[in-house]
Amino acid sequence: ETGVTQTPRHLVMGMTNKKSLKCEQHLGHNAMYWYKQSAKKPLELMFVYSLEERVENNSVPSRFSPECPNSSHLFLHLHTLQPEDSALYLCASSQFVASGGEWQFFGPGTRLTVL
Amino acid sequence: AQSVAQPEDQVNVAEGNPLTVKCTYSVSGNPYLFWYVQYPNRGLQFLLKYITGDNLVKGSYGFEAEFNKSQTSFHLKKPSALVSDSALYFCAVRDRSSGSARQLTFGSGTQLTVLP
Repeated sequence: ETGVTQTPRHLVMGMTNKKSLKCEQHLGHNAMYWYKQSAKKPLELMFVYSLEERVENNSVPSRFSPECPNSSHLFLHLHTLQPEDSALYLCASSQFVASGGEWQFFGPGTRLTVL
Repeated sequence: AQSVAQPEDQVNVAEGNPLTVKCTYSVSGNPYLFWYVQYPNRGLQFLLKYITGDNLVKGSYGFEAEFNKSQTSFHLKKPSALVSDSALYFCAVRDRSSGSARQLTFGSGTQLTVLP
């Protein structure tokens, strides 16, 4: 496997379910990100795990819970979601460089539908 | 604070014609600027970036972008469009002083359609 992989690619869940999205990066990067992509809206950064810290967007509801057990794996735990949470969830990784000019590598995304 | 505007939701161009996808940005300091492309059912793919130096940046697949500090713009261009360039294009910015998490702010995307 190369690059950034995400599983599952598609997920349908009810509002009372608990599920998890998984992301794995095979690039040796030291930062990982979760984004939410909704139609005709800017990508919304949800969480960042970097060398020294975790950063979260304060507008993300607590029903989304990230976990980063090591530098290669990132999870997004989901519980009691709402229909408006239906979206494409993208994982990305990057390698911080001194110049600050690094770019992010994205996975293919998980298409989530909440019924 | 940092922000990006992509004023056009949709751009249509005939194959073989030049294309431009517009992007303007706002940062408190100096910017890092990026363009990404997204094909259907795929994640975003890096195209090019401006860090410093030459205002004209060349990237993948024949794309280029011009950094204009006075107009705070970073428009994406290609001299001759291909049908295969049809995709969703995102501009992104990061303020050089954006902190240790180095968060990118993305625009809402421009759907480019190249007509045969």
